[in-house]
Amino acid sequence: GQNIDQPTEMTATEGAIVQINCTYQTSGFNGLFWYQQHAGEAPTFLSYNVLDGLEEKGRFSSFLSRSKGYSYLLLKELQMKDSASYLCAVSPSGGYQKVTFGTGTKLQVIP
Amino acid sequence: DSGVTQTPKHLITATGQRVTLRCSPRSGDLSVYWYQQSLDQGLQFLIQYYNGEERAKGNILERFSAQQFPDLHSELNLSSLELGDSALYFCASSVPGTGAYNEQFFGPGTRLTVL
Repeated sequence: GQNIDQPTEMTATEGAIVQINCTYQTSGFNGLFWYQQHAGEAPTFLSYNVLDGLEEKGRFSSFLSRSKGYSYLLLKELQMKDSASYLCAVSPSGGYQKVTFGTGTKLQVIP
Repeated sequence: DSGVTQTPKHLITATGQRVTLRCSPRSGDLSVYWYQQSLDQGLQFLIQYYNGEERAKGNILERFSAQQFPDLHSELNLSSLELGDSALYFCASSVPGTGAYNEQFFGPGTRLTVL
């Protein structure tokens, strides 16, 4: 089975940096996704980490530690449009297996 | 635009009724996934199909069923609808395989309201 934990809500200030954590316990692990979801809209892909370490993509970076079952998403230079839910999702080992999503972290960016 | 289409966009119906939601995956994607998202809730995985066959099942009620057709589009059937079935229903598709190929592309969703 798979268990994924994320904080429910976070608030951060425009222009600041915020880190959204995700911990997971899985019976098999291949990699970890981060998705962004604005209210009422479909989730959109942000990143996918397979190896330990930090991957940077513009203002967004994602970190993975496989041994600790831990990941975080780092958002820099926050903008109001970054207000959204951020979903952590685990991809299990083996083919054709379903990805399991966490319940998401609702981020509110305030002026 | 993810390339995944879902119809209808909105659906309003009454308790006890039956509805069908339709999904067309991205060109070339063989896997289709269905999710339910109630208000302020996470994505609840319902069911996955791969090339016409059921691959994985999540928390799908017995009143719900799905299928994937030879042209790879999929339908989710919801019957004996209850007020609690009101939610956003997302379809996603992916290229089969592991790793990044497991990335799911989501459709815009169907918002179901049961009155």
